[in-house]
Amino acid sequence: DIQMTQSPSAMSASVGDRVTITCRASQDINNHLAWFQQRPGKVPKRLIYASSTLQSGVPSRFSGSGSGTEFTLTIAGLQPEDSATYYCLQHSGSPFTFGQGTKLAIK
Amino acid sequence: EMQLVESGGGLVQPGGSLRLSCVGSGFTFRSYWMTWVRQAPGKGLEWVANIKEDGSEEHYVDSVKGRFTISRDNAKNSLYLQMNSLRDEDTAVYYCVRDLWLYFWGQGTLVTVSS
Repeated sequence: DIQMTQSPSAMSASVGDRVTITCRASQDINNHLAWFQQRPGKVPKRLIYASSTLQSGVPSRFSGSGSGTEFTLTIAGLQPEDSATYYCLQHSGSPFTFGQGTKLAIK
Repeated sequence: EMQLVESGGGLVQPGGSLRLSCVGSGFTFRSYWMTWVRQAPGKGLEWVANIKEDGSEEHYVDSVKGRFTISRDNAKNSLYLQMNSLRDEDTAVYYCVRDLWLYFWGQGTLVTVSS
């Protein structure tokens, strides 16, 4: 199975900051990676798919990049509503696998 | 408006069985892969299983292989998860999710395995 290592596991930042979350795959997954946001008590929401394609309706301050084994989610200009847990998902090979999650708090 | 509504969760004893259902509306159900994802209390997301549009292909995470079966009935716009030999560690909210890349999620149904 493909393992996804996500870092950091938790972080805090201030409104307006630029934040980067990383996911590393245990083998080459091309660009078969998606990012999800889960606010407390809410259902996960897809932010990005195919590594860098922004889901319709998602603010442009979110961006994704990477290919192969290393991927990043960047939030440029952090907003209070971005307080959430973020997960990556590889969908290159079954079983698909999530990263462990990054809990982002706003200072 | 697109909707996925799960049902069938509840309290079950270890070793017991439960069948989850999910009804989709607002989209052409038969045109999409469907997926089950679960989340144990206070934990991260775990991909569980998915099934191809016509039901001809299924995939499972190792921890549920041989115990869980995913199926679908496109005439009823419905997805199912038959869960047998349930264990404490299967306790989680189970989400029904549209397509291979998990575009749209239901609200989830809670399964509690406990004696």
